[in-house]
Amino acid sequence: DPKIIQKPKYLVAVTGSEKILICEQYLGHNAMYWYRQSAKKPLEFMFSYSYQKLMDNQTASSRFQPQSSKKNHLDLQITALKPDDSATYFCASSQGGLNSDYTFGSGTRLLVI
Amino acid sequence: GEQVEQLPSILRVQERSSASINCTYENSASNYFPWYKQEPGENPKLIIDIRSNMERKQIQGLIVLLDKKAKRFSLHITDTQPADSAMYFCAARRNNNNRIFFGDGTQLVVKP
Repeated sequence: DPKIIQKPKYLVAVTGSEKILICEQYLGHNAMYWYRQSAKKPLEFMFSYSYQKLMDNQTASSRFQPQSSKKNHLDLQITALKPDDSATYFCASSQGGLNSDYTFGSGTRLLVI
Repeated sequence: GEQVEQLPSILRVQERSSASINCTYENSASNYFPWYKQEPGENPKLIIDIRSNMERKQIQGLIVLLDKKAKRFSLHITDTQPADSAMYFCAARRNNNNRIFFGDGTQLVVKP
């Protein structure tokens, strides 16, 4: 059973539209993250959350907004989509503290046309 | 933040030879260094890690070395197999931060 669920696995969106990428983890982890992977940037950090609080934000555009309704959820809302947003978006989680390796979800492959 | 440099970006080796990937980091406060393997169409998966209180760690055919003075760490894969072909990422984490900083990856190709 996957311990981090990302939905959907594949997503095609029209330029200018808005989409929400879902991430839920069942590892009991306290920290969650979003990364983006494309040909331009292999693993680009976007956000980190700890206990549902935003800890770090490296995304220049406010079009990307994380949403954490529960401790084990961290969704990513993307508005006004552009073709350049096409990438695979990985959610990850970690226990936090000294034992902090990541477990990655299977990713959402987003194509903006 | 933390900058992690990873080389080479592409590494081609013959089956059964060894492969080495090298990384450097900037922040001397970094204390945890994981390595991830990503196969095509898959997510990155942790394969081995080393903490700053160690200089060497081995899990089967994977060896990681850490030189804290030089702020350098490396992954060595002995007796490579075609199944080792994948993208490998090194990473570093500081003591007071959950966030892991990744290198840009090394595409390893093991030729039969």
